[in-house]
Amino acid sequence: TQLLEQSPQFLSIQEGENLTVYCNSSSVFSSLQWYRQEPGEGPVLLVTVVTGGEVKKLKRLTFQFGDARKDSSLHITAAQPGDTGLYLCAGNRGNYGGSQGNLIFGKGTKLSVKP
Amino acid sequence: ETGVTQSPTHLIKTRGQQVTLRCSSQSGHNTVSWYQQALGQGPQFIFQYYREEENGRGNFPPRFSGLQFPNYSSELNVNALELDDSALYLCASSLIQGTEQFFGPGTRLTVL
Repeated sequence: TQLLEQSPQFLSIQEGENLTVYCNSSSVFSSLQWYRQEPGEGPVLLVTVVTGGEVKKLKRLTFQFGDARKDSSLHITAAQPGDTGLYLCAGNRGNYGGSQGNLIFGKGTKLSVKP
Repeated sequence: ETGVTQSPTHLIKTRGQQVTLRCSSQSGHNTVSWYQQALGQGPQFIFQYYREEENGRGNFPPRFSGLQFPNYSSELNVNALELDDSALYLCASSLIQGTEQFFGPGTRLTVL
C-alpha cells in the first residue's frame, strides 16, 4: 500500500494550459516537499510546506498543504515545455530515531507539456 | 556552496557481486540519507547517517549497509547483489535539525 498517492500518474497537455497535481495520504506529516525530477537525475527541491492550510507560490507554481496536513496540491498556470518532468511529493513524518525523519515519496506525476 | 555529488554515475554488476557507492554531502550538512528508486517508482528510504552512525532505516535487508565519515561523506554498500537491486541510488544531505533534503544526481546500478 502506497502511503502517499499521487494523481494523475501521467499528464500530457499543450503549452499554455493550466493543471493541478494531487498528493493524498491518510497519514499526517510534519512537512511535505515537492520535487521535480528529470530522467536519470536526482530530484530537485521545489518547495517545503509546513503549516496546515499553507499556500506557497513559486512563479507560475502554486503549492497548497491541506488543513489536516495529510494532502497537498501543485497547480501550474500557463504550463510551458520547460515544466516537463516527474513531479514527486514527499512527506516527512517527523522524528524517527531522533532524526528529522525519512521522506516518504509518492510514485510521482509524469508531466509532458507539448509546444 | 558545493552541492551533493555521487560516484560513480553508472555501474554494471552481475548477480552475487558486491558494490560500493559514494556520496559527498552539501557543504554545511551533517546528515546523509540514501534512497533507492526503481524504474517508474518514487524513491524509497534505505537509511540515514548522522554523526557516523545509522540513524533510521527503511525496509531493506542487512546486505544493504553504509558508512559515514568524519567529513560527512558516506558510502552505501550492497552485498550479494540481486537482479531487483537494479535502480537509481540517490543520496540526500541535510541538517539534522532541518526538514529539507537535497539530492545528488544518483548512481544508476544495473545488475545482470
